[in-house]
Order: sequence, then C-alpha cells, then structure tokens
Amino acid sequence: DAGITQSPRHKVTETGTPVTLRCHQTENHRYMYWYRQDPGHGLRLIHYSYGVKDTDKGEVSDGYSVSRSKTEDFLLTLESATSSQTSVYFCAIRKGTSSYEQYFGPGTRLTVT
Amino acid sequence: TQLLEQSPQFLSIQEGENLTVYCNSSSVFSSLQWYRQEPGEGPVLLVTVVTGGEVKKLKRLTFQFGDARKDSSLHITAAQPGDTGLYLCAGTGGTSYGKLTFGQGTILTVHP
Repeated sequence: DAGITQSPRHKVTETGTPVTLRCHQTENHRYMYWYRQDPGHGLRLIHYSYGVKDTDKGEVSDGYSVSRSKTEDFLLTLESATSSQTSVYFCAIRKGTSSYEQYFGPGTRLTVT
Repeated sequence: TQLLEQSPQFLSIQEGENLTVYCNSSSVFSSLQWYRQEPGEGPVLLVTVVTGGEVKKLKRLTFQFGDARKDSSLHITAAQPGDTGLYLCAGTGGTSYGKLTFGQGTILTVHP
C-alpha cells in the first residue's frame, strides 16, 4: 500500500464547469503524476510534479492545470470541463529517485455531461 | 515521443492454457515495467526489468526484456481465472523525472 488516496472517487459534472481532483499521499514522496485512462489508450500522462511548486506538462496537458503547494497533495484542475475529458483519472507516486517504479491511487471516475 | 505497442489487445483463453503478451517499440528504454489492473482499481506493479536480455519469473509469470531494450514479453503458464485482468507495459527513457510511457493494454480473460 503506497498510502495514496484520491478524491472524489466518482464525479458527474456539466460541460463548462470547473472541476478539481485531489491526490493525497502519506509518505512524502517527491514525484507525483496525474494520468488519464481511456479504452484503447492505456494511461497517458497529463502533468507531473517533482517537488512543491515544481510541475510540468505531460503528453495530454491541454485543458488541465495542476498545483502542488504541499508535498502530500497534488491537485488536478479542469478549468472548464468538456465531454472529451470524461475519463478515469489516476494519481501515482514514485518512491525515491533510483527507481522508476510508480504506485497508483484507486482512481477517480469523472463524467462530463 | 516514445511509443509502446502492446499486443494482443484482447485475449480470451481457457483455464490451463499458456499465453504471451508482447510490448514493442522502436525506442530504447532504460527500464520497463509490467502492471496488472483489475476493474475499479489502479494498476499494480508486477515487475521491473532493466537489463537487456533479462528474464524474471514471478510464480507462473515470466517476463523478458529484449536484448536491445526495445521490447518485452509477459508469458503466463497454465493460466487461471484469477489471472483475468488488464495487463499494461510501461517504459521509461531514463529521464530524471521518471516519466512513463504506457502501452495500450491487454485485456485477458481466463475462463474456468
């Protein structure tokens, strides 16, 4: 158990509304990642963080922003949700810097109507 | 951009059969990982391979990293219904940020 929680676990929202998903870890790991998972695409990296206030874009970052004001929390914001952002969102952490292994949270299922 | 092609996308077999899942790329990876995911849960790490030609065994699962570190395979011997799930390969190019590139996944169904 990597001590990762995500909230909410399920959310339905309307097109055009802002949405924030939260990832919380209890082990003070430096690296955190947000992915989305869609059928036929595996997991795709949205944004990642390598420290407090240090973040960068992944391969599918358009329409998303992130913030990390504390080591334990990594927030993903959809500024104005669109139907194409309906997906399952996973947060992951990387333990240490000598290993590339990542450990995932339970996911958030987001539906944009 | 590094890409990982995973095949097959779907695999439906009977209990006791053997199977192999492939993960291929034109890029070299510093390491490659295999994950297993069950419905409603996050992916769970099965193994990491880092050396070209490396073979790792985890009970009935055998993982191999290609000599050129561009491909990998997962072989399951005598599959069981409990092996049912989504299998994902993921590779990293070795950047300090540890970003992973995932394959599309293989949905395995093992029928009793």
